[in-house]
Amino acid sequence: NAGVTQTPKFQVLKTGQSMTLQCAQDMNHNSMYWYRQDPGMGLRLIYYSASEGTTDKGEVPNGYNVSRLNKREFSLRLESAAPSQTSVYFCASSYRDLHNEQFFGPGTRLTVL
Amino acid sequence: AQSVAQPEDQVNVAEGNPLTVKCTYSVSGNPYLFWYVQYPNRGLQFLLKYITGDNLVKGSYGFEAEFNKSQTSFHLKKPSALVSDSALYFCAVRDSSSGGSYIPTFGRGTSLIVHP
Repeated sequence: NAGVTQTPKFQVLKTGQSMTLQCAQDMNHNSMYWYRQDPGMGLRLIYYSASEGTTDKGEVPNGYNVSRLNKREFSLRLESAAPSQTSVYFCASSYRDLHNEQFFGPGTRLTVL
Repeated sequence: AQSVAQPEDQVNVAEGNPLTVKCTYSVSGNPYLFWYVQYPNRGLQFLLKYITGDNLVKGSYGFEAEFNKSQTSFHLKKPSALVSDSALYFCAVRDSSSGGSYIPTFGRGTSLIVHP
């Protein structure tokens, strides 16, 4: 039982390049989330998927797109990376009910030059 | 609307002493409250949660939290701190009312430093 896995762990991009961050969970959770974490800003929600087949914007969706590929996988795409997207990205998953805690992946540290 | 505040950016405590990390919240209905811990270069890990019932909730690694409805607080506590408890701690809330947000709101985090 691997929990939530993310790839890659580290990535350096040049401004304008694109990339996809991958996330998978093996806990049969309905809901999945993408957050970014910046110093002094806490966690900010980018996009989430309440259940397979649905995605919704979070607090900071601009410059990102997501795909809920199936129940297990939820990917985050940067179409044209900008230095402001330098951050640590976390994927999380949970059962859908409100009282359920989230399980987080180990994170992807992204630097955009 | 739901919100959560962690009033201290950093808490310093000596090893062996009790520790408290503060959290206050605001919701329309009843709260579901969570504490998470983040060790350096790791993702967040769930520590404990309050859903209903006993106001004192026990969690992982000897941590506990006390729900206080009148003060709208959910402070994290441990009777005797360890150097290995040094980490970043996040409080989160969801509003259980029908108009509440499905998405939890996180505090900005409190850095706990335990000195040997």
